[in-house]
Amino acid sequence: QLQLQESGPGLVKPSETLSLTCTVSGGSISSSSYYWGWIRQPPGKGLEWIGGIFYSGSTYYNPSLKSRVTISVDTSKNQFSLRLSSVTAADTAVYYCARMAAAGTRYFDYWGQGTLVTVSS
Amino acid sequence: QSALTQPASVSGSPGQSITISCTGTSSDVGGYNYVSWYQQHPGKAPKLMIYDVSNRPSGVSNRFSGSKSGNTASLTISGLQAEDEADYYCNSYTSSSTLVFGGGTKLTVL
Repeated sequence: QLQLQESGPGLVKPSETLSLTCTVSGGSISSSSYYWGWIRQPPGKGLEWIGGIFYSGSTYYNPSLKSRVTISVDTSKNQFSLRLSSVTAADTAVYYCARMAAAGTRYFDYWGQGTLVTVSS
Repeated sequence: QSALTQPASVSGSPGQSITISCTGTSSDVGGYNYVSWYQQHPGKAPKLMIYDVSNRPSGVSNRFSGSKSGNTASLTISGLQAEDEADYYCNSYTSSSTLVFGGGTKLTVL
């Protein structure tokens, strides 16, 4: 059974960089049939797609966040990571990592449990 | 990119059917059959309910069905049950090779 687990600091100061890692277990991150994505959800609000990455390193970002987001992959560790720079209180959210089926389709079939990141001094 | 448009809330009584709409544009919902729907209970991660407009993953009740007409996709839940009370989100692929979610719909089972 595939599992995804987010990890990283739960508190980040304004103007600093948020960094999260998603560890994938029960399957390989190196598959051309999937890409690996990040989604966030501010408290009491809806889901927002942040971006995603193929194991080859190709990335896709939400245009509204593109200037501040970097997603990378480490196939040797079966992990992928999110960096969001210059954070403000508006970036406070539960951050989810997820697997997206990408072979002639697009849907998130496995999700991590989510991790709350609060931006505050 | 703008979020897809969903009603903020819908409600129904046990046993009834409800439909949640998801309206986009020809650049997303209308242009691709890559619409998916997710159910989210409070404090939990979203769960895939429908993919590619109308396909159900293994293990999802056949009370859930999806369809699309033009730029609007729909999720229908028949035979409403108390456990269906949750937030529902649609998602679509876009012509910019990005993804966009709907604003979410809160389903209340009366």
